[in-house]
Amino acid sequence: DADVTQTPRNRITKTGKRIMLECSQTKGHDRMYWYRQDPGLGLQLIYYSFDVKDINKGEISDGYSVSRQAQAKFSLSLESAIPNQTALYFCATSDSLGGTQYFGPGTRLLVL
Amino acid sequence: AQKITQTQPGMFVQEKEAVTLDCTYDTSDQSYGLFWYKQPSSGEMIFLIYQGSYDEQNATEGRYSLNFQKARKSANLVISASQLGDSAMYFCAIEVWGGTASKLTFGTGTRLQVTL
Repeated sequence: DADVTQTPRNRITKTGKRIMLECSQTKGHDRMYWYRQDPGLGLQLIYYSFDVKDINKGEISDGYSVSRQAQAKFSLSLESAIPNQTALYFCATSDSLGGTQYFGPGTRLLVL
Repeated sequence: AQKITQTQPGMFVQEKEAVTLDCTYDTSDQSYGLFWYKQPSSGEMIFLIYQGSYDEQNATEGRYSLNFQKARKSANLVISASQLGDSAMYFCAIEVWGGTASKLTFGTGTRLQVTL
């Protein structure tokens, strides 16, 4: 079984809809991250969390919110989706500062 | 703020040959880590290799090695004996350890195509 899982793997939604992307990990890591990747570009950090009570904004947090429900679960929400949020979304985990970040398989989101 | 530059949008290499993917970085911090990730066409991000700023030896992981030149601020990835399965996008990333912030800053990637 994969250590970092994301659901759904693919999603098509309409402008204005609320959507939640979920991430679960079995690695026992405290730190979790959400990134987005636009075509032809590297990854940009949306939000990150160092433990259940800690949430931090990344480079491109506008239009997104997150919830850290447990050590193993970190959800990303788009309250009102817009077309330029069409992207590939990755969840990642690490065990410490400077520790390797391990990525989930990604969620392809298309906002029409 | 830190920055990663990958100047090669695309590279070709013949099977069984070695290839070097370039990566330069910019940071004013002394403590940082450098990472390389592989992204095949299926989309997942696969961790390949890591180099800490205080590591004196170049990192190696199987066919992957990282040519770390701190004074030049470069962290090139060398893949030896290329295989068809190495065809993918490759991303260089840096994580700076100052303070409590912990985030990877990625370059724009290099697309490697391995040919017969």
